[in-house]
Amino acid sequence: GQQVMQIPQYQHVQEGEDFTTYCNSSTTLSNIQWYKQRPGGHPVFLIQLVKSGEVKKQKRLTFQFGEAKKNSSLHITATQTTDVGTYFCAGPRRGSTLGRLYFGRGTQLTVWP
Amino acid sequence: IAGITQAPTSQILAAGRRMTLRCTQDMRHNAMYWYRQDLGLGLRLIHYSNTAGTTGKGEVPDGYSVSRANTDDFPLTLASAVPSQTSVYFCASSTGLAGGNTGELFFGEGSRLTVL
Repeated sequence: GQQVMQIPQYQHVQEGEDFTTYCNSSTTLSNIQWYKQRPGGHPVFLIQLVKSGEVKKQKRLTFQFGEAKKNSSLHITATQTTDVGTYFCAGPRRGSTLGRLYFGRGTQLTVWP
Repeated sequence: IAGITQAPTSQILAAGRRMTLRCTQDMRHNAMYWYRQDLGLGLRLIHYSNTAGTTGKGEVPDGYSVSRANTDDFPLTLASAVPSQTSVYFCASSTGLAGGNTGELFFGEGSRLTVL
């Protein structure tokens, strides 16, 4: 099964509204990564979180890693049409050797102008 | 332009045929990966390679094989294609760090495969 569970699967917002996607794991993650995939494109790396409770910001995007390192979130403030795409979280399986990075199913964001 | 190159971009294939998807990177990354992407299922890891000469199985390895003869190339072979292997295939690479940390993954543009 999926290593990380991601919700919601779909989110439709009007431009200017906020958006949040959540990623949850049943086991502790050593790190978590976030990617964005535009329609018809390939996934592009956004950020990696490593520390418990870590918060990182990229302009309107805020990324959080939970204290227990079992959950993470991506929050977009005041969405724009350029934010359209699917956002994925990805984490290594617990105890795995290097190389096994598993992705959540993604949250597809649609932004209405 | 540096990065990852996948070929072909798209292919329609008859069931039972053998197919190799090619992937080449020029970033001298140690680690390479193959994922398949299906609607509603996200990206699922097929096979990976931590370094030239080694490979490992991911979540959905059945029906696929890989080789890593050198650092740059990581071909994915479908020995006898079946319709359930219709998907978009993404190759990726990363520097590959210690302690289970893959580092940032760089993805190719994808190969869309249809098996009839």
